[in-house]
Amino acid sequence: DAKTTQPTSMDCAEGRAANLPCNHSTISGNEYVYWYRQIHSQGPQYIIHGLKNNETNEMASLIITEDRKSSTLILPHATLRDTAVYYCIVRDSFGNEKLTFGTGTRLTIIP
Amino acid sequence: DGGITQSPKYLFRKEGQNVTLSCEQNLNHDAMYWYRQDPGQGLRLIYYSQIVNDFQKGDIAEGYSVSREKKESFPLTVTSAQKNPTAFYLCASSMGTESYEQYFGPGTRLTVT
Repeated sequence: DAKTTQPTSMDCAEGRAANLPCNHSTISGNEYVYWYRQIHSQGPQYIIHGLKNNETNEMASLIITEDRKSSTLILPHATLRDTAVYYCIVRDSFGNEKLTFGTGTRLTIIP
Repeated sequence: DGGITQSPKYLFRKEGQNVTLSCEQNLNHDAMYWYRQDPGQGLRLIYYSQIVNDFQKGDIAEGYSVSREKKESFPLTVTSAQKNPTAFYLCASSMGTESYEQYFGPGTRLTVT
């Protein structure tokens, strides 16, 4: 799996959009970008994933650059419950079940 | 409700004892996984199973053992051979191969003294 680089921590004001960047410059053509988050002392929660196109669901939007070397997770209206560690992961789709978690970005939502 | 359950939430053992952590899912998922998380770190894969009666080692399998006799169950045994067993253990499941998301249980925090 390709490695990812994320900022160690970020703050965001409650009600504003939280934009979490991720660099994955060595990503290959069959690798997806996944985002998970982990609230303190709980299991990680799947947020969203994508291959080439931008994706949106009820939780977030994922913007992937045209060269696929970086992406941004957007939480459109951050709430205090969005305070968590956010992990950006790249993973291929051909039988490789492994998710390689780095240390992620610790996002703190400020009231 | 569908989901993954892990029990117990907290577990305490004496050094030298084997301990088995429970993981059950009712999502009808084929694949199941065990991860370990140390403070301030990401998750590391211990073992995974893509189908009943089959499992593969992950990155840090030494000192651990698993079984997959039933689709819904994937217990992890932490043996006395594991040098640093104190950690947060997370179980997950997914539908199978390709680009499926993994669903995680609430975790078991194991403390060995």
